[in-house]
Amino acid sequence: DGGITQSPKYLFRKEGQNVTLSCEQNLNHDAMYWYRQDPGQGLRLIYYSQIVNDFQKGDIAEGYSVSREKKESFPLTVTSAQKNPTAFYLCASSNVRGGQTDTQYFGPGTRLTVL
Amino acid sequence: AQSVTQLGSHVSVSEGALVLLRCNYSSSVPPYLFWYVQYPNQGLQLLLKYTTGATLVKGINGFEAEFKKSETSFHLTKPSAHMSDAAEYFCASLNAGNNRKLIWGLGTSLAVNP
Repeated sequence: DGGITQSPKYLFRKEGQNVTLSCEQNLNHDAMYWYRQDPGQGLRLIYYSQIVNDFQKGDIAEGYSVSREKKESFPLTVTSAQKNPTAFYLCASSNVRGGQTDTQYFGPGTRLTVL
Repeated sequence: AQSVTQLGSHVSVSEGALVLLRCNYSSSVPPYLFWYVQYPNQGLQLLLKYTTGATLVKGINGFEAEFKKSETSFHLTKPSAHMSDAAEYFCASLNAGNNRKLIWGLGTSLAVNP
């Protein structure tokens, strides 16, 4: 089955530690995205990538880093510089047609809790 | 700045009643519009989308939405609510001038009472 997988489902981290969230897609989509979701704040874009080896900052990139070495993979690292990392993190992907991004499809999410 | 407004952060309906979730967008150019649903601790699932053409769009699970340019609205409806419809619903827009990013509403939590 085609889709987007995120692992782990739940992640616990001690303050001061970096942690990497995995996102893999087998939909052959060019674009991938990371969002952060907090109660009452909707979805906020962290980083996005439209092509391998290229990515752009979203609205709240501070304290996060990404890489896009393969088309199907877009891991997100939450660094110790992120002041309030406890949140639900969602990965998405989409096609790019004629320079326009298409419908975004989402993974199941990773809930990160900082202890 | 472009924005999407969802009126009502919480909506409660009785089982079998009409569901109406409101979404208004701000854009000088008709955007692409989306409705997503999110069940607790899960990712978002696409319900329906409007790009061009017919303004009444039918989606999954009996939902539909109508694009009204004059009202800059894209309200989501379902004639008869089911208990399984209880979830968070998000409206989003994608504009030609902002082609990489979706503009998201803050979401509406739908409760369905027996």
